[in-house]
Amino acid sequence: GIQVEQSPPDLILQEGANSTLRCNFSDSVNNLQWFHQNPWGQLINLFYIPSGTKQNGRLSATTVATERYSLLYISSSQTTDSGVYFCAAASNYGQNFVFGPGTRLSVLP
Amino acid sequence: SQTIHQWPATLVQPVGSPLSLECTVEGTSNPNLYWYRQAAGRGLQLLFYSVGIGQISSEVPQNLSASRPQDRQFILSSKKLLLSDSGFYLCAWGTGGPNYGYTFGSGTRLTVV
Repeated sequence: GIQVEQSPPDLILQEGANSTLRCNFSDSVNNLQWFHQNPWGQLINLFYIPSGTKQNGRLSATTVATERYSLLYISSSQTTDSGVYFCAAASNYGQNFVFGPGTRLSVLP
Repeated sequence: SQTIHQWPATLVQPVGSPLSLECTVEGTSNPNLYWYRQAAGRGLQLLFYSVGIGQISSEVPQNLSASRPQDRQFILSSKKLLLSDSGFYLCAWGTGGPNYGYTFGSGTRLTVV
């Protein structure tokens, strides 16, 4: 099945800094999502982005399906951005998502 | 709008006791339903998924079982809990159609003592 990798595993930033999180996947994908898991464990949808670029406030994401990677950009980071960011990919229509191991982000005040 | 409910939020159970976690979805019909487990500091592991009433697929053989008695209800069960069953259990739903994604419930933190 599809393999999903994420980098870096851990990231520490000062408030106000920008960051880029990367997700690599081993096969062509029809579906890809980015999630943020907050300190209480809640998984929040950030983007559904099987291809192209989307932006939502300080966050944006780009998926280059032909090169099998997706990037999540966080600009002007805030302490509330702390948590774990997961990428999940599904290789075929209707197939289940496979999650990457996550990137743990800590934003310091 | 669609919502997903999961309960209880936290649970402490002794080894050997039974388990029943419930997940319900509102505002949609015939959703795909999923149970994931997350061990402390680890990623998400898919346990079970269901594409319809009574249809359960297991991803990982283990001490747990799942059932879908109604279209929008998904239940995770165990007859006898093990210490290794401790973790954070998350239910999710998806349409399974084009341009679909997952939406997760708030999770149940299970501690087996």
